[in-house]
Formats: sequence, structure tokens, C-alpha cells
Amino acid sequence: AQSVTQLGSHVSVSEGALVLLRCNYSSSVPPYLFWYVQYPNQGLQLLLKYTTGATLVKGINGFEAEFKKSETSFHLTKPSAHMSDAAEYFCAVSDRGTNAGKSTFGDGTTLTVKP
Amino acid sequence: DGGITQSPKYLFRKEGQNVTLSCEQNLNHDAMYWYRQDPGQGLRLIYYSQIVNDFQKGDIAEGYSVSREKKESFPLTVTSAQKNPTAFYLCASSTSTGLGGELFFGEGSRLTVL
Repeated sequence: AQSVTQLGSHVSVSEGALVLLRCNYSSSVPPYLFWYVQYPNQGLQLLLKYTTGATLVKGINGFEAEFKKSETSFHLTKPSAHMSDAAEYFCAVSDRGTNAGKSTFGDGTTLTVKP
Repeated sequence: DGGITQSPKYLFRKEGQNVTLSCEQNLNHDAMYWYRQDPGQGLRLIYYSQIVNDFQKGDIAEGYSVSREKKESFPLTVTSAQKNPTAFYLCASSTSTGLGGELFFGEGSRLTVL
């Protein structure tokens, strides 16, 4: 069985500061890993994903994440926060093969950006 | 533009009533999913379908029902047997095995029981 743990349900940063949202996973096989963003009363939108190959993945809006197999982590970072980054962020893991798309989600991290 | 359309966006229900949430996609995706989202929690899978006329229960299927008569459509019925139906419901789709299992989401439907 796979699982996802997002450390910190709320993260607050100042505008222009580094954003770091933490995600650890467990999976019996090499997984697919995702970060999604959700704005209030909207659906989720994919920020980035790791499937294979390069472990540093770049996504939209200046976000990136690094897959570290030894640490079973997939932390999300952005060098300089913008007010528009305020949202809820979800880390997700998915099995390869026949269950691709049947993802397990973390509980989410709400990012607040202070002016 | 291709995407997923959920309706209605807001829905109010009296106790004891069944309600149906609509989900339509024009992405030509094989797989479709229904998730429930409660405050402070991640998404929990209700039902999913990987092919027309076939669907499987997710982690919290009790009190819900679905159908998949067309590739484009995957409606969810919240029945009176669901004891705590007030939540935000999200429909999603994906190709069956490709693209690393990326999910495409609709805008959601917020159900409130009065």
C-alpha cells in the first residue's frame, strides 16, 4: 500500500522568500509522484510530476521538486514567493501500470504569503 | 478547449433525498474518478471507472452510486444512505495508463445537506 505524508498543514512565508513544502511517501514499487495546487472552491491543477529520469523536476509558476529515493521525499520549492502562490498544495503518489491514475493524496498544505 | 465540466457547482439537499452530480469530459480519456474532499483532509476516492460499463469502488463508496454508460460521462449519485454527505466533490479523468497517471480535474461541486 502506498501513502503520503505532508509535513505541516499550514506554511506561512513573506513575499519574496523561499517556499518549501515537504512531502514524504511510501510505496512498494517506484512510484509516480505529483504536486497539485488548489485555489479556493476550484479543482486541482497539476504543478509538476516525476515519472522517470531526471530527479529534479520543474513545473509551472516557477515551482520545482526533487525526487530523493533514499529519503523517500518529493519536496516542493520555489525560490521567491509571490502573493498569487497562496493556495492549498497536495502531494500525491500513484502506482505504475494498471493502477496509474488511482492516486493517493496527502492531507494538503495551505500556503499563506504575507506582503 | 478540452476539459471536465461538473454541475451543479453548488447544491443543497434535504435529508433523505438522493442527488446526482454530473461530470462530463471531452478529453477522450478512458478513466474517470470521483473524489470527496473535506476541510483539512486530502482527497478520498469514492468510485473509479477505467472503461465504459465498468467501475470499481474506491475507499469510501458506501452511500454512493455511479454509472458509466458513455465514455464522456460519469455521474455520481449521493444516496440517502450516505450519513454525512456535506462535502466538496471532485471529478477527474486520466488516460488509462499513460502520462504517468496525471489527473485532470473539474471545478468541483459543493453539496450541503440542510
